[in-house]
Amino acid sequence: SYELTQPPSVSVSPGQTARITCSGDALPRKFAYWYQQRSGQAPVLVIYEDNKRPSGIPERFSASTSGTMATLTISGAQVEDEADYYCYSTDSNHRGVFGGGTKLTVL
Amino acid sequence: QVQLVQSGAEVREPGASVKVSCKASGYTFSSNEIHWVRQAPGQGLEWMGWMNPNSGKTDYAQKFQGRITLTRNTSITTAYMDLSRLRSEDTAVYYCARGNEDDDAFDIWGQGTMVTVSS
Repeated sequence: SYELTQPPSVSVSPGQTARITCSGDALPRKFAYWYQQRSGQAPVLVIYEDNKRPSGIPERFSASTSGTMATLTISGAQVEDEADYYCYSTDSNHRGVFGGGTKLTVL
Repeated sequence: QVQLVQSGAEVREPGASVKVSCKASGYTFSSNEIHWVRQAPGQGLEWMGWMNPNSGKTDYAQKFQGRITLTRNTSITTAYMDLSRLRSEDTAVYYCARGNEDDDAFDIWGQGTMVTVSS
């Protein structure tokens, strides 16, 4: 079955740039999406269609893809950005797949 | 405002079934897919399946084939997720999420429903 692979954790100091990667064989052909999930809350969409930011999401959130790798970048990470981040995409049958999640620590 | 409101927490014994509801409001229910995602305690998100509220068409993750049924009642703009033959590993928070009309994004999420499977 199709898999998306993320690092389990990323840690940065406030104001630094955090980068979270997501690798998957189909990413050259399928869009990547990114979700933020704060502790005890439902996920929130922060990036759609590889690199687009929904309204209301701060400009410090950006993303890109290159080959089989998608990257979420948080420029000038803030304490409130501390959360779990999940990439999401679909397989060849249009079934959904989440990455394993990355815990971002900002301290 | 656009929202999805889910039913309350459930406790079931192993082998039983559970049905979770997801009430949509603030938009045209038939225009957007409804997806279901679950999260076991301390674990990541897991996609389970989707339903087209207009046609009733469904598709499920292979892992849940034969145990999951997604339905809807358009007259009350509510989607349902039915999971049968429950086992302890099905203990999780279950979310419904609205699929965006133009792409595969989940732009609105329900608050989640905790399902506990225990004898």
